[in-house]
Amino acid sequence: NAGVTQTPKFRVLKTGQSMTLLCAQDMNHEYMYWYRQDPGMGLRLIHYSVGEGTTAKGEVPDGYNVSRLKKQNFLLGLESAAPSQTSVYFCASSSLAGGRGEQFFGPGTRLTVL
Amino acid sequence: AQSVAQPEDQVNVAEGNPLTVKCTYSVSGNPYLFWYVQYPNRGLQFLLKYITGDNLVKGSYGFEAEFNKSQTSFHLKKPSALVSDSALYFCAVRDRGGYNKLIFGAGTRLAVHP
Repeated sequence: NAGVTQTPKFRVLKTGQSMTLLCAQDMNHEYMYWYRQDPGMGLRLIHYSVGEGTTAKGEVPDGYNVSRLKKQNFLLGLESAAPSQTSVYFCASSSLAGGRGEQFFGPGTRLTVL
Repeated sequence: AQSVAQPEDQVNVAEGNPLTVKCTYSVSGNPYLFWYVQYPNRGLQFLLKYITGDNLVKGSYGFEAEFNKSQTSFHLKKPSALVSDSALYFCAVRDRGGYNKLIFGAGTRLAVHP
């Protein structure tokens, strides 16, 4: 049981380049989330999904797009990277059961945009 | 507006001494509260949660947290700190918008000195 995995672990981009971050979970969770972590700001929600084929905006969605074509995968895309998107990105998942469960986090992707 | 505050950027404690990491929240109704820990270069790990019931919640690694409704606080505690407890700690409250979304505090860095 791998839990939540993220690829890649590290990436360096130049301004204007694009990339996709992949998140996968093997816990059959309905809910998935993408966060960014910046020093002194905690975790901020970028986008989330409540099921296959659905996505919704979080607190800081600008400059990002997401897709959830399969229940176990949640992709985060940067179409034209900017230095302000330098951050550590975390994916998380949560179960619908009980409606009040905790989130399970992946190990993170450290992204630097030059 | 819903929010979580962690008033201390850093807490320093000697090994063997008790530790407290503070958290206050602002949310209408009954809150669902969580503590997570992040070790260097790792994702967040769930420590404990308060949903309802006993105000003293016990969690992983000997940690506990006390829910105080009148003071809108949920402080994390441990009777005897270990050097290995040194990490970044996040308090979170469940977003009343549903889908197990969480609102995180900015984090508190705990440093336990030998």
